[in-house]
Amino acid sequence: QSVLTQPPSVSGAPGQRVTISCTGSSSNIGAGYDVHWYQQLPGTAPKLLIYGNSNRPSGVPDRFSGSKSGTSASLAITGLQAEDEADYYCQSHDSSLSGRVFGGGTKLTVL
Amino acid sequence: EVQLVESGGALVQPGGSLRLACTASGFTFSSYAMIWVRQAPGKGLQYVSGISTSGGSTYYANSVKGRFTISRDNSKNTLYLQMGSLRAEDMAVYYCARVDPNSALDYWGQGTLVTVSS
Repeated sequence: QSVLTQPPSVSGAPGQRVTISCTGSSSNIGAGYDVHWYQQLPGTAPKLLIYGNSNRPSGVPDRFSGSKSGTSASLAITGLQAEDEADYYCQSHDSSLSGRVFGGGTKLTVL
Repeated sequence: EVQLVESGGALVQPGGSLRLACTASGFTFSSYAMIWVRQAPGKGLQYVSGISTSGGSTYYANSVKGRFTISRDNSKNTLYLQMGSLRAEDMAVYYCARVDPNSALDYWGQGTLVTVSS
């Protein structure tokens, strides 16, 4: 049971928009801690996708965007492409656990 | 180019010990906090342990506290994870990652596999 809750899977057709939610609580996202998102392509290490709730590292397409409100955060992907098929993880900090916490991960399937 | 290369993963019996290493290059290692994250087969990411730039502060997930020890040697640009009293549930790919100023994990190694089995 992950501290941050994500849907196990989402899907969309090429060109469509999908969102992935990340729900926390008052001890993590709701306490004001930043949310970061990672993309893990099959068989590879995770890669930073969004940092500080809504910022993209250099090289990440602007098709990827992040937002945060209250005890939740979201990752949006527009103009879906086949190469976006991957697992996506949110991550924050939890004050009651005194450490970093991850969501359970969401598998994105491009139909 | 920033590179993190893990090593030391192996097959170990339950109750055994293992030391993982993560060799860093392409950046000033001593300026960054570092962490270990693991991923059990077919499962999600799990935070394991973190260490400050000097090594003076260390942090552990409850599941490994008292069994694992994180350390670093800034003169060798290397991060370590000493694992003891290993259990079947410790079996995973272990990644080291760099903590950026925003507290995000901006660079990851390729991972090293730890198998715990008799």
